Amino acid sequence: EIVMTQSPATLSVSPGERATLSCRASESVGSSLAWYQQKPGQAPRLLIYGASTRATGIPDRFSGSGSGTEFTLIISSLQSEDFAVYYCQQYHRWPPLTFGGGTKVEIK
Amino acid sequence: QVLLVESGGGVVQPGTSLRLSCAASGFTFGNYGMHWVRQAPGKGLEWVAIISSDGRVTYTADSVKGRFTISRDNSRNTLYLQMSSLKAEDTAVYYCAKRDFQQWLDYWGQGTLVTVSS
Repeated sequence: EIVMTQSPATLSVSPGERATLSCRASESVGSSLAWYQQKPGQAPRLLIYGASTRATGIPDRFSGSGSGTEFTLIISSLQSEDFAVYYCQQYHRWPPLTFGGGTKVEIK
Repeated sequence: QVLLVESGGGVVQPGTSLRLSCAASGFTFGNYGMHWVRQAPGKGLEWVAIISSDGRVTYTADSVKGRFTISRDNSRNTLYLQMSSLKAEDTAVYYCAKRDFQQWLDYWGQGTLVTVSS
């Protein structure tokens, strides 16, 4: 199975600042990488698929990049509603689909 | 709009069975593969199972293989997860999710909590 590793586990950022989240795959997943946002008590929400394509309705302050084994999610200017946990997920080789352990973005 | 509504969770004893349901609306259910994903309290996301659009192909995670069965009724627009021989480590919120063009999950239900405890 492909193991997904996210870093850091927690990221403390001030509103208006830029946040950079990383996701690494144990082997190449090409561009078959999605990002999700999850707020407390809510279901995950799709942000990015194909490593860099924003899902419907996702603001352009969210951007994804990378391919192969290294991926990045950037939130260009953090808004109050962006403080949440973010997960990456590979769908290159499955089953199983695999998720990273998550990065919590908290208010500094 | 797409809506996925899970039901059937609750508190059960170890070794017993439970069936979860996921009622789908707002899209042509029979055209899409569907997934179950779970999240233990305070933990990350764990993929559980997938079923093809016609129900003929299924896969389950090794952690639940032989105990959980995914199925669907396209005439009722409903997805199921039959869980048996439940263990304490199966305690989690269970989400159903719709796949998109490939296996990214574009819509999720609100989840249903399963607690396995004596």
